[in-house]
Amino acid sequence: DTAVSQTPKYLVTQMGNDKSIKCEQNLGHDTMYWYKQDSKKFLKIMFSYNNKELIINETVPNRFSPKSPDKAHLNLHINSLELGDSAVYFCASTVAGAGNEQFFGPGTRLTVL
Amino acid sequence: GQQVMQIPQYQHVQEGEDFTTYCNSSTTLSNIQWYKQRPGGHPVFLIQLVKSGEVKKQKRLTFQFGEAKKNSSLHITATQTTDVGTYFCAGPSSARQLTFGSGTQLTVLP
Repeated sequence: DTAVSQTPKYLVTQMGNDKSIKCEQNLGHDTMYWYKQDSKKFLKIMFSYNNKELIINETVPNRFSPKSPDKAHLNLHINSLELGDSAVYFCASTVAGAGNEQFFGPGTRLTVL
Repeated sequence: GQQVMQIPQYQHVQEGEDFTTYCNSSTTLSNIQWYKQRPGGHPVFLIQLVKSGEVKKQKRLTFQFGEAKKNSSLHITATQTTDVGTYFCAGPSSARQLTFGSGTQLTVLP
C-alpha cells in the first residue's frame, strides 16, 4: 500500500541519453513535486504541479520536463543527460495549501557516466 | 528568495548524549515543519509548528518555534542509534511550495 511510489529505484545511464522517472501517488493529493537531492543532502525543489498550475524553479535546466498524465502521476523526463545530473530524485505529494505535510517517494538514484 | 539555513551541518554524538539542530529563515514563516531522512531513505514528516513560541514534544524529541517565527530548533534527549539520519526543517515559500533547510546529518556512535 505504498502511498508515493517511484520507478526505477536506480538508474545508470550514459551522458547524452534521455531518460524518464515515473511517480505515482494513491493518496488522492492534488499537488505533486519533484526534488533533487545532491551528495551533501541538500533538497532542492525542481517543480510543483497540480492540475491547474506548473511552477518551475528558475534554476532548473529546460532539459528537465515534468509530464502529468493525470492527478495521480507526475513523471520526470530528462533530455541530454549530463554528469551533473547525478543525484537522488524524490517525488512528493500533498494537499494544496500553505505548508501542508508532504509525502515523499522512496527516491530514484540517477548515475550519469 | 527565501533561505532556510540549519546548523550544524554535521553532528557526531555518543549514544546517550543530547543533540540539537537549529533552523533559521530569512523571512517570517506561517509555520515550520520538520522531517527526518534515514540513511538510504526518504524524508518523513515529523511535526508542524504554527504558533509563535510553540513547543511540542514527541517522546525524546522537543521542537520549538521562535517568538518571531523565523527560527526553530529540534532537541533530542539521550540519543539512540535509531536517531541516526538527516533532520530537515522546512517552511512555506508560497501557497504550494516548501523551502527545505540545508539539513543536519546526525551520527550516533554506540
